[in-house]
Amino acid sequence: AQSVSQHNHHVILSEAASLELGCNYSYGGTVNLFWYVQYPGQHLQLLLKYFSGDPLVKGIKGFEAEFIKSKFSFNLRKPSVQWSDTAEYFCAVNSPAGSGYSTLTFGKGTMLLVSP
Amino acid sequence: DTEVTQTPKHLVMGMTNKKSLKCEQHMGHRAMYWYKQKAKKPPELMFVYSYEKLSINESVPSRFSPECPNSSLLNLHLHALQPEDSALYLCASSQARQGWMDEQFFGPGTRLTVL
Repeated sequence: AQSVSQHNHHVILSEAASLELGCNYSYGGTVNLFWYVQYPGQHLQLLLKYFSGDPLVKGIKGFEAEFIKSKFSFNLRKPSVQWSDTAEYFCAVNSPAGSGYSTLTFGKGTMLLVSP
Repeated sequence: DTEVTQTPKHLVMGMTNKKSLKCEQHMGHRAMYWYKQKAKKPPELMFVYSYEKLSINESVPSRFSPECPNSSLLNLHLHALQPEDSALYLCASSQARQGWMDEQFFGPGTRLTVL
């Protein structure tokens, strides 16, 4: 079965610091990869996704992620975080499934706290 | 319209009540999903409907009963719930592409409290 590992459960940064959140997955075949963000009390929002092509993916709010197939990794980065980036971040992988739907496997999440 | 809507936003119910959660999308998606999310945890898949047929039931207790009356609507009927069922219930939909590149779009969720 597919598994997704997020390295840090909690990250605390000061504003303007750089961010990198790690994500590793177990499946060796073709994958679709996602990063979702959940702000306090709010719903899941898609930050960015990788389906194919350029392994460096740019998302919303200045986030980007790099797919490194040889390392089974899809790390999320942002050069300069803001207080408003305080949120829970989930990495997810789309696994092969039956025809007509997909199954997402989520990591356990990383809580990012940005202090002003 | 690229939105998944869910009603109600909040629901408080007793253990003997019967209630329903509703999810709707008008993106022409043919796969719809129910997830349960506890605080500080990732979403857990409960059910998947594909082309209005139940494709996955992740061993969910029978007190949760899904229904897909048409390709745009997904309901979750609740009966005799337990306090530990209190959670955020998320609905999602996707195009149901064969194989890859199938992105799930999430609704805002219904926050359920069982007393």
